[in-house]
Amino acid sequence: QKEVEQDPGPLSVPEGAIVSLNCTYSNSAFQYFMWYRQYSRKGPELLMYTYSSGNKEDGRFTAQVDKSSKYISLFIRDSQPSDSATYLCAMSAGAVFGNEKLTFGTGTRLTIIP
Amino acid sequence: GAGVSQTPSNKVTEKGKYVELRCDPISGHTALYWYRQSLGQGPEFLIYFQGTGAADDSGLPNDRFFAVRPEGSVSTLKIQRTERGDSAVYLCASSPGNQETQYFGPGTRLLVL
Repeated sequence: QKEVEQDPGPLSVPEGAIVSLNCTYSNSAFQYFMWYRQYSRKGPELLMYTYSSGNKEDGRFTAQVDKSSKYISLFIRDSQPSDSATYLCAMSAGAVFGNEKLTFGTGTRLTIIP
Repeated sequence: GAGVSQTPSNKVTEKGKYVELRCDPISGHTALYWYRQSLGQGPEFLIYFQGTGAADDSGLPNDRFFAVRPEGSVSTLKIQRTERGDSAVYLCASSPGNQETQYFGPGTRLLVL
């Protein structure tokens, strides 16, 4: 069993819809939870990160972490065609953000239909 | 400013050959990471450098894989006796350290025939 599980999709939704992406994990040591976006033939880029449990909002994006359930989510409101990409969840167990290897999910391929 | 660059962008080689993949991190970034991304999968950690030394090489799959960062900047990932299963995108990332994210390069697409 992988440490981080993510539904690979693909997921297609109409423009303007709310998108929900999720990951589950098994390693209780994970402290930082990240969402990366990856366009075709590009490297991943960080969307947002959360430390421990809780919610974080950034514009149209909201990240949620529930450590008790080992479950994280990313919500995208008012989805746009430019949001079409692969979304990767990632986690690290380091005490300090940025100084530790990342463990990624499989990635979910998302397409926003105009 | 310039991001993480990786060369070559594509590499085709034959089974059994030796390859070197290069990563130029963002200037001043002390931490450097290598990941491997197979088709339809997320990146998988290989090795992490802090300065010149390998702080964590637990992800290297076997002794055919080796990486160096002799001057604490550019890093080279070396793969000996390549196998078809080594075909993947090899991603490099760098970070300035504390409380900063890892910035990824575009990757090197390796195809072993």
